[in-house]
Amino acid sequence: EIVLTQSPATLSLSPGERATLSCRASQSVSTFLAWYQQKPGQAPRLLIYDASNRATGIPARFSGSGSGTDFTLTISGLEPEDSAVYYCQQRSNWPPLTFGGGTKVEIK
Amino acid sequence: EVQLVESGGGLVQPGGSLRLSCTVSGFTFSNYWMSWVRQAPGKGLEWVANIKQDASEKYYVDSVRGRFTISRDNAKNSLFMQMSSLRAEDTAVYYCARQPRKGNDAFDIWGQGTMVTVSS
Repeated sequence: EIVLTQSPATLSLSPGERATLSCRASQSVSTFLAWYQQKPGQAPRLLIYDASNRATGIPARFSGSGSGTDFTLTISGLEPEDSAVYYCQQRSNWPPLTFGGGTKVEIK
Repeated sequence: EVQLVESGGGLVQPGGSLRLSCTVSGFTFSNYWMSWVRQAPGKGLEWVANIKQDASEKYYVDSVRGRFTISRDNAKNSLFMQMSSLRAEDTAVYYCARQPRKGNDAFDIWGQGTMVTVSS
């Protein structure tokens, strides 16, 4: 089973700043990695698939990069509505499909 | 509008059973793999199981294999999860989620979830 480790656990930034979230895989997942956003009381929403492709309707300030074992989700120009927990998920080696533990982004 | 609506959650005693349903609308259900993903209170996301378009392939996380059964009815645009021998650690919000083409595709559409509580 591939384990995904996300860091930091919590990120506290001001509006307009850049957020950089990390996801590290226990073995290579090529580019088969997705990112999701989850706001309190809501279902997750797909942001990025296959490491760098934005899902339909996702603003351009969200971008993904990386391959192999190290991945990054960047939110350029944070907005108040970006306050959420962000999860990475791999689809390279399955079952099981696995998620990281999440990074909480707080907007000051 | 694409929509997934889960139902069937509730309070059940340890060792009991429950059947979850997910009814979809706004897309051709029979064209998609479907998954169940759960989230324990205050915890992260865990994929539970998924099923191929024609139900010919089904996959489970180890912790539920043999206790949970995923199924679907394409004529009724519905996904199901029969849960038995329930344990306290199965307590979670259960989401159904769509996968566009293959069983390992990302989850592009999610329902709002249904809460399952296993407690005496």
